[in-house]
Amino acid sequence: SSGLTQDPAVSVALGQTVRITCQGDTLRMYYASWYQQRPGQAPILIFYGKDSRPSGIPDRFSSSASGNTASLTITGAQAEDEADYYCNSRDISGYHLMFGGGTKLTVV
Amino acid sequence: EVQLVESGGGLVQPGGSLRLSCAASGLSFSYYWMSWVRQAPGKGLEWVANMKQDGSEKNYVDSVKGRFTISTDNAKNLLYLQMNSLRVEDTAVYYCATEGVIAPAGPIDFWGQGTLVSVSS
Repeated sequence: SSGLTQDPAVSVALGQTVRITCQGDTLRMYYASWYQQRPGQAPILIFYGKDSRPSGIPDRFSSSASGNTASLTITGAQAEDEADYYCNSRDISGYHLMFGGGTKLTVV
Repeated sequence: EVQLVESGGGLVQPGGSLRLSCAASGLSFSYYWMSWVRQAPGKGLEWVANMKQDGSEKNYVDSVKGRFTISTDNAKNLLYLQMNSLRVEDTAVYYCATEGVIAPAGPIDFWGQGTLVSVSS
């Protein structure tokens, strides 16, 4: 596949751990970045590179990568984590960026 | 604090043109790659175009190549997206975004609040 594939929807119980995955061939060459988008708001960067979290992002957010899959893990999900999550990386050429289709996270 | 503010969106007929602008404060476009990303109503994010700080490199998603042009006025710290031959499927909120501010050669990091472009007859 030349794109990035995400599960459309995932749910997690309050306080539990959830993993959101992103699959794509180019993830073997490039790290994924992860964005959170709450309804009606612009996306915000929450994780990038091998192990980097922007200032102000809670440390319950972490990421890992293996083969063609990148994963975003939320350890101890909070109600405010309910949002859409997108992965992003480069295409095979390295010049174009692309996003996964997004995962809607519901915290129950 | 980095702030990006888009403007120029609106309603346009198919085949028409619009120019979006993005004004930045807290950083200079002269130092960073800049991107436009769009989001159709109820849909996911789609990267549209980006541009190297000196203008020497510009990249576009295939669906807008030849119709959209990304540019900057570094003296005014403005980013533009000239959109010609607009199609109904170009209807979306358009975000401008920086690349590599938080980390050199890094990802899209700061985003504006977006401007809505509606293409309809």
